[in-house]
Amino acid sequence: TQLLEQSPQFLSIQEGENLTVYCNSSSVFSSLQWYRQEPGEGPVLLVTVVTGGEVKKLKRLTFQFGDARKDSSLHITAAQPGDTGLYLCAGEGTDSWGKFQFGAGTQVVVTP
Amino acid sequence: GAGVSQSPRYKVAKRGQDVALRCDPISGHVSLFWYQQALGQGPEFLTYFQNEAQLDKSGLPSDRFFAERPEGSVSTLKIQRTQQEDSAVYLCASTATGLQETQYFGPGTRLLVL
Repeated sequence: TQLLEQSPQFLSIQEGENLTVYCNSSSVFSSLQWYRQEPGEGPVLLVTVVTGGEVKKLKRLTFQFGDARKDSSLHITAAQPGDTGLYLCAGEGTDSWGKFQFGAGTQVVVTP
Repeated sequence: GAGVSQSPRYKVAKRGQDVALRCDPISGHVSLFWYQQALGQGPEFLTYFQNEAQLDKSGLPSDRFFAERPEGSVSTLKIQRTQQEDSAVYLCASTATGLQETQYFGPGTRLLVL
């Protein structure tokens, strides 16, 4: 059972456009991570957010953790074909110890 | 290599066969995780080791699934009497020390049960 809902499931855009993907839950998380996974590979960690309302930037990627620590968003500015991949969010429950629940992911395709 | 490696990368099994999947974590990494990723889904936690101790196996779907890490390095996930619903990618991840650390994932083993 996926406690984290990601939307949209699939997003296809052209190079240079902006996009936002969302990760929502009814549960509160101690921390939330975003990963990117490419075909045939394991997920690669992009960022960890810990504080409600926190915003982190990684080049053209902006990550935000909701004030209530139940949701998060990932915004990509001026997307490039290299941004293509499956974006996964993973939340650490407040009563767990570093055990993360993953969402089903958003498949992003950026065409030249 | 510097990363987490898994073998085999692909495995086809007939229903009822036993399979063994291997994970070589990053050298010196203390913690090791196994995940199952079904098609179109995110990874789901199976089990966690700290050194050789299996501290959490709450995610193992049935008693047909068994994992071990006898010397605190290489780990093996064994699935007995495979079923079609076991078809998935099995991912292994390791962290340097313990919890709340960056997990480094291997490429996974894609298991297909016919």
